[in-house]
Amino acid sequence: DAGVIQSPRHEVTEMGQEVTLRCKPISGHDYLFWYRQTMMRGLELLIYFNNNVPIDDSGMPEDRFSAKMPNASFSTLKIQPSEPRDSAVYFCASRAFRDSNQPQHFGDGTRLSIL
Amino acid sequence: GENVGLHLPTLSVQEGDNSIINCAYSNSASDYFIWYKQESGKGPQFIIDIRSNMDKRQGQRVTVLLNKTVKHLSLQIAATQPGDSAVYFCAENMGDRDDKIIFGKGTRLHILP
Repeated sequence: DAGVIQSPRHEVTEMGQEVTLRCKPISGHDYLFWYRQTMMRGLELLIYFNNNVPIDDSGMPEDRFSAKMPNASFSTLKIQPSEPRDSAVYFCASRAFRDSNQPQHFGDGTRLSIL
Repeated sequence: GENVGLHLPTLSVQEGDNSIINCAYSNSASDYFIWYKQESGKGPQFIIDIRSNMDKRQGQRVTVLLNKTVKHLSLQIAATQPGDSAVYFCAENMGDRDDKIIFGKGTRLHILP
């Protein structure tokens, strides 16, 4: 089975540019999560969706960050305008809904460098 | 605030020996715990999970122990192999069937030849 697919794997751009990160969750999963990972702060949850609806965006650092999930098989995380401090690895994860807890499954991330 | 933490940032283990990675949590309402393994350049990979109504769960070469009295979680890896080199994270949900999980800082496992 295909896991969570993220693109691009690497992105290097200049500050001020718009950056769009993409994610395809595992088919049939109801939840989608966006994380950011840095050495200083570890893995931080930015936002998550349930059935394509944003449930909690309290981790989104600023208005420069936005996320959408137009359908069950696709989500984007956008940064506009980008800044050097946004440099990090961004992960997408998905999980199924069950009556009991289920683990999240992660993609291999997008390594973002803002110059 | 509530936090999941790890006692040791780096653990060096001889190949073939058993590894024990520890994790302390502070949210007494958490009822679900997960261990992830992250290799360089990859995303966290699910290893094993445990619910709060259990104190032990075994997988293939891995065992997770949960001590709710002292809010402690551990991951035991039997017969450690070079491929086990990675950063290991514990994670907890926040209880009350919350959809979010909180990750600890991670422990790097280094395998000595």
